Amino acid sequence: AQSVTQLDSQVPVFEEAPVELRCNYSSSVSVYLFWYVQYPNQGLQLLLKYLSGSTLVKGINGFEAEFNKSQTSFHLRKPSVHISDTAEYFCAVRGSGGYNKLIFGAGTRLAVHP
Amino acid sequence: GAGVSQSPRYKVAKRGQDVALRCDPISGHVSLFWYQQALGQGPEFLTYFQNEAQLDKSGLPSDRFFAERPEGSVSTLKIQRTQQEDSAVYLCASSLDMTRGTEAFFGQGTRLTVV
Repeated sequence: AQSVTQLDSQVPVFEEAPVELRCNYSSSVSVYLFWYVQYPNQGLQLLLKYLSGSTLVKGINGFEAEFNKSQTSFHLRKPSVHISDTAEYFCAVRGSGGYNKLIFGAGTRLAVHP
Repeated sequence: GAGVSQSPRYKVAKRGQDVALRCDPISGHVSLFWYQQALGQGPEFLTYFQNEAQLDKSGLPSDRFFAERPEGSVSTLKIQRTQQEDSAVYLCASSLDMTRGTEAFFGQGTRLTVV
């Protein structure tokens, strides 16, 4: 079984500042990792995913994340945020073998202020 | 259609009423998931279909919840005798398959409010 912990429920930040949203996971098997973004009254949109290979993955809208197996982390970063990045961000994990459902964290609310 | 479509977008039900929520996945997608998202929480897994077969229903919270996908395309999530704790957004997702890291595409959800 897998679980995900998003360490911050809310992250306020000023426009053009850097941001890091933290995610830790636990699993007894190898995993795939994902970050999704959810805008108000919308579904989830995939930002980026880690399957294998390079531990630094780049996604849409200038976001990137680094997989750290020893620390079981997959933190999301952006060097300079925009007002339009204000949204809820979810980290998710699934086992890499066969069928496995996505397990989500509780989410981090990113609030970008002018 | 271009994406996963869910209907209705909003549903208000009186406690005790039965409701049916519809999901139209992306054409050709084999895998279909239902999730429940309570206010301020992450999505919680409900059930999974591979074509018409319901392979995992371990997340359904009670026997009042029932899902089907009879022809391997459109899926319906039915909730009988709704309770206030059923109020949530119900998300549907589809995927081409579940091998490797194939992306799951989510619909906009149905917001259910039980009064």
